[in-house]
Amino acid sequence: AQSVTQLGSHVSVSEGALVLLRCNYSSSVPPYLFWYVQYPNQGLQLLLKYTTGATLVKGINGFEAEFKKSETSFHLTKPSAHMSDAAEYFCAVSRSGGYQKVTFGTGTKLQVIP
Amino acid sequence: EAQVTQNPRYLITVTGKKLTVTCSQNMNHEYMSWYRQDPGLGLRQIYYSMNVEVTDKGDVPEGYKVSRKEKRNFPLILESPSPNQTSLYFCASSLGSGSSDTQYFGPGTRLTVL
Repeated sequence: AQSVTQLGSHVSVSEGALVLLRCNYSSSVPPYLFWYVQYPNQGLQLLLKYTTGATLVKGINGFEAEFKKSETSFHLTKPSAHMSDAAEYFCAVSRSGGYQKVTFGTGTKLQVIP
Repeated sequence: EAQVTQNPRYLITVTGKKLTVTCSQNMNHEYMSWYRQDPGLGLRQIYYSMNVEVTDKGDVPEGYKVSRKEKRNFPLILESPSPNQTSLYFCASSLGSGSSDTQYFGPGTRLTVL
């Protein structure tokens, strides 16, 4: 079985501050890990993806995430928040190689305060 | 323009009345999936398909059927909808499962079952 836990359903940061969204996973096999963003009334967009290799993954819009096997974590960070980053973020895990069996976390809504 | 389309975008129906939500992609993608999104639960995978005539269950397949007769289409069928299937549904597709592949999401279908 696999699962994802996102700590904090709501996170608020000031514009220009560090963004840190936490994700911990459980998987019986080496995982594939994803972060998605959903803007209001829109579908999901892939931010970044970890499959194998380099544990620090860079994505779109200045986001990055680090796969830490010992901590079973895949936290999402961005050095400086922009107002346009306000959205809901979902962490997800797959054990079957890519997009077959995908399990999502419950999401974290990011609020950016001017 | 590369895209995943879903129809209808909004649907209100009654319990027991069969319905189909269509999903089509114009990118010649191998992989397609259906998800439902519910407040506080994030996204849950219903079914996925790795190619024509190859489908498998996700985490919440009960009450749903799918078919993949053509590569571009992946309809979601609710034979006898019930109120607990009221949700926001997303279709997604990807070329493959490699590290460079991206999953593209449709705009969503908001279904209400009375």
